[in-house]
Amino acid sequence: DAKTTQPTSMDCAEGRAANLPCNHSTISGNEYVYWYRQIHSQGPQYIIHGLKNNETNEMASLIITEDRKSSTLILPHATLRDTAVYYCIVRGSLYGGGSNYKLTFGKGTLLTVNP
Amino acid sequence: EPEVTQTPSHQVTQMGQEVILRCVPISNHLYFYWYRQILGQKVEFLVSFYNNEISEKSEIFDDQFSVERPDGSNFTLKIRSTKLEDSAMYFCASSPGREYEQYFGPGTRLTVT
Repeated sequence: DAKTTQPTSMDCAEGRAANLPCNHSTISGNEYVYWYRQIHSQGPQYIIHGLKNNETNEMASLIITEDRKSSTLILPHATLRDTAVYYCIVRGSLYGGGSNYKLTFGKGTLLTVNP
Repeated sequence: EPEVTQTPSHQVTQMGQEVILRCVPISNHLYFYWYRQILGQKVEFLVSFYNNEISEKSEIFDDQFSVERPDGSNFTLKIRSTKLEDSAMYFCASSPGREYEQYFGPGTRLTVT
């Protein structure tokens, strides 16, 4: 699976949009970009994933660049409860020949939402 | 909303003892996983399980570890002879299919003394 690079930490004001970047320059054509978050020591929580098109759900939006070498997770109106470590994960595809059973977590970005 | 549950939330055991960590995956999911997170470190994949057999395992998942789905609802991780370095949070996850998102449980904190 391709390696990802994320900033160690970010701050955001409550009510503002939080934009979390991720670089995945070695991503291959069949690999998906997944985002999870972990609040304190709780289990990781799935947020969103995408292949090449932008995606939106009730939690967040995912913007993937046209060359797919980077992406941005957007929390449109951050709240204090969004303070967490956010993980960007590139996951192999069944059709890409790589393992796609596992999620390979990096260190992620600690997002702190301030009042 | 269905969720993955894990018991116990905290397990304390002595070095050399056997422990069994239990998970109830989401009911219609077919793929099951165990991950662990040593305090202050990354979440690490241990094993995936499908159709009553291991589909993938990491280097961490050595002969001390085993997994089982003893009935239609539970999924267990057994550590035969615990070591101090097995102290960690253990997370169970499940997914409806191989290429679907994985849903994690709240974890079991294992402390080996």
